[in-house]
Amino acid sequence: AQKITQTQPGMFVQEKEAVTLDCTYDTSDPSYGLFWYKQPSSGEMIFLIYQGSYDQQNATEGRYSLNFQKARKSANLVISASQLGDSAMYFCAMRGFDSWGKLQFGAGTQVVVTP
Amino acid sequence: DAGVTQSPTHLIKTRGQQVTLRCSPKSGHDTVSWYQQALGQGPQFIFQYYEEEERQRGNFPDRFSGHQFPNYSSELNVNALLLGDSALYLCASSLSTGVYSNQPQHFGDGTRLSIL
Repeated sequence: AQKITQTQPGMFVQEKEAVTLDCTYDTSDPSYGLFWYKQPSSGEMIFLIYQGSYDQQNATEGRYSLNFQKARKSANLVISASQLGDSAMYFCAMRGFDSWGKLQFGAGTQVVVTP
Repeated sequence: DAGVTQSPTHLIKTRGQQVTLRCSPKSGHDTVSWYQQALGQGPQFIFQYYEEEERQRGNFPDRFSGHQFPNYSSELNVNALLLGDSALYLCASSLSTGVYSNQPQHFGDGTRLSIL
């Protein structure tokens, strides 16, 4: 069985500062993918970044980067230079090897960016 | 290029009623997945449709059923509604050839279902 754990229910961060959102996972699959999504209060789920289990490099996408530590089974999201518009719920999700793309989500972390 | 569209945006029902939610996938996508997101929680996978067949199902009772049409759009039906079915229902689409790649699922804005 797969499991995603996000231990930080909520965080405050000042504008222009960086923030790290923790995500640990548990799987026995030989290959898997890790995704981060952003969900503003309006409800839509916005894709941010992807890391494949066999990727050698940590993924980066603009102000988003992923600190992937395979041996520790962690995939932390780093948001640099936070903006007020970054205030939202952030979800870590995993796609298993034989899952036809089905995503297993964590409980999420609420981020509030303050001026 | 239209993204994933869901209707209606909000819905209020009473216990025991039945509801149908609709989803049109992103242009070019052929796979539709449905998720239930209770307040304050992460989305939970309900099922996935591909080629008009249910390909995979999560841990949801048979009261939850679905359908996919030849144009790839999909419906989620819930019978005998319970208070606990109150949630945001999200539809996500993807391309079948991308299920093992870095291609993400694209989500709609969701339907907020309230059961009284």
